[in-house]
Amino acid sequence: DIQMTQSPSTLSASVGDRVTITCRASQSISSWLAWYQQKSGKAPKLLIYKASNLESGVPSRFSGSGSGTEFTLTISSLQPDDFATYYCQQYSSYSRTFGQGTKVDIK
Amino acid sequence: QVQLVESGGGVVQPGRSLRLSCAASGFTFSSYAMHWVRQAPGKGLEWVAFISYDGDKKYYADSVKGRLTISRDNSKNTLYLQMNSLRAEDTAVYYCARERIVGATVDSWGQGTLVTVSS
Repeated sequence: DIQMTQSPSTLSASVGDRVTITCRASQSISSWLAWYQQKSGKAPKLLIYKASNLESGVPSRFSGSGSGTEFTLTISSLQPDDFATYYCQQYSSYSRTFGQGTKVDIK
Repeated sequence: QVQLVESGGGVVQPGRSLRLSCAASGFTFSSYAMHWVRQAPGKGLEWVAFISYDGDKKYYADSVKGRLTISRDNSKNTLYLQMNSLRAEDTAVYYCARERIVGATVDSWGQGTLVTVSS
């Protein structure tokens, strides 16, 4: 199975900060990567698909980049609504593994 | 709009069985592949199983292979997860999720149903 490793596990930041989360795959997944946001007690929400495509309705402060084995999710200016946990997921193989998550909390 | 509503969760003893359902509406269910994803309390997301739009292809996480079975009834717009030989480590919120037709991204999720395996 393809392993997905996110870093950091926790990130403390302030409103207005630029935030970057990294996701690494154990083998090449081309651009078959999605990013999700999850708030406590809620279902995940799709933010980015195919590594860099912004899902409809998602604010433009979110962006994704990367291909192969290394990917990043960037929030250009953190807003109060963005404090949440973020997950990457590969869909290169039928075993759709997730990263372990990155919790973004208030500094 | 897309709606996925899971049901069937509850408290069950180790070794027993449970069947989860996911009722779909707001889209042509029979055209979409579907997934089950779970989340143990306080933990991250774990992909569980996949089923193709027509039910012909099914894939499972190693952790559930041989015990959990995904199926669907396109005439009832419903996805199922049959859970047998349940273990404490199966305790989680179980989400059903839709896979986009083009590009294979999982784009819509239900609200989840909690399964607790405990004696």
